[in-house]
Amino acid sequence: AQTVTQSQPEMSVQEAETVTLSCTYDTSESDYYLFWYKQPPSRQMILVIRQEAYKQQNATENRFSVNFQKAAKSFSLKISDSQLGDAAMYFCAYRSPAYNTDKLIFGTGTRLQVFP
Amino acid sequence: DSGVTQTPKHLITATGQRVTLRCSPRSGDLSVYWYQQSLDQGLQFLIQYYNGEERAKGNILERFSAQQFPDLHSELNLSSLELGDSALYFCASSAYTADTEAFFGQGTRLTVV
Repeated sequence: AQTVTQSQPEMSVQEAETVTLSCTYDTSESDYYLFWYKQPPSRQMILVIRQEAYKQQNATENRFSVNFQKAAKSFSLKISDSQLGDAAMYFCAYRSPAYNTDKLIFGTGTRLQVFP
Repeated sequence: DSGVTQTPKHLITATGQRVTLRCSPRSGDLSVYWYQQSLDQGLQFLIQYYNGEERAKGNILERFSAQQFPDLHSELNLSSLELGDSALYFCASSAYTADTEAFFGQGTRLTVV
């Protein structure tokens, strides 16, 4: 079974600085999808960025980018020019495209604090 | 707005009671997933329905059950409630099983007293 591990329960960053959140996963599949979700105090789950395993190029969405290392099974999220609104829980998630196993598997989350 | 609607937003009930949580997926989405998030925890997968049929099951208690109706909305039934069932229950939907993205509702906050 696939697992997702986020080893940083909490991280902090100053406004305008850069922070990297770590995520590792375990799978025997070669094709899969990886996601970062943000959960602000409102508790809404918001998709931040996604990466298809077959793509070598790292995904980027504005200030958010990932470092996808398939061989190392690592998927870190970099937030550049951090803003106060980035403060939230961040969850890394894995999804298999296979029938009956396409649910999202989440890590335990990293709480990000942003200081002015 | 994700397009996924969950009702009610908040629910307070007593131990031993039974409640039903409702989820309306995005228009056209065939898959519905239910997740439980206890306080400051990650999201635990409960169950998935696809086009009316159960597709996958996670660590769902026998006291919990779900179904998806012909109009694709889904209901999660929780019975013989215990204090430990207090949590945020999320519904998510996606278009078909090979789709890469799932959209989440705003969740139902269940408090068992």
